[in-house]
Amino acid sequence: SQKIEQNSEALNIQEGKTATLTCNYTNYSPAYLQWYRQDPGRGPVFLLLIRENEKEKRKERLKVTFDTTLKQSLFHITASQPADSATYLCALGAAGSYQLTFGKGTKLSVIP
Amino acid sequence: EAGVVQSPRYKIIEKKQPVAFWCNPISGHNTLYWYRQNLGQGPELLIRYENEEAVDDSQLPKDRFSAERLKGVDSTLKIQPAELGDSAVYLCASSRGQGVREQYFGPGTRLTVT
Repeated sequence: SQKIEQNSEALNIQEGKTATLTCNYTNYSPAYLQWYRQDPGRGPVFLLLIRENEKEKRKERLKVTFDTTLKQSLFHITASQPADSATYLCALGAAGSYQLTFGKGTKLSVIP
Repeated sequence: EAGVVQSPRYKIIEKKQPVAFWCNPISGHNTLYWYRQNLGQGPELLIRYENEEAVDDSQLPKDRFSAERLKGVDSTLKIQPAELGDSAVYLCASSRGQGVREQYFGPGTRLTVT
């Protein structure tokens, strides 16, 4: 069965450092991948979309990579700030499908 | 633009009672999604609408769950009767256009079944 694993349930880093979150998948060949941010008591907020033929996408301090050989996506936040503290979800979609399959998320805490 | 609106934000009911959730998507968004999110898990799709048509409801437990999207705008998700295992956050999301695109989520309704 399809399986999505996000590297850890929680990640603590020091302010100013680069946070790297991992999304691994098995038994799946996604055509695209999205990353969302979710704050407590709120719905997820879209951050980035990357397609299988793209290696890297950037948006301000955010960068996402997509390696279909390793079956992995990495999500980076550079110069992290306490305001970046949240749960980050990766979501995969198959070709021709608009259905997203979400991982469990990684709770990031940026310590001042 | 106004975001996705959901109501109520919180609901506590006893098992076997019915419950309904309402969603108003972003204006102009033709696609509407209902998700369920259990504690510590990612959202799981229950049903997807393209305008007023339910095009993906394979994950909807049809024995007790029902949904409708009249006139292709607002949507209602109903559970009857509710079970203890239905306690979760129910999220509504919408998106615009065709193809792969980002989804805009509402704040969700937190359901507690006692």
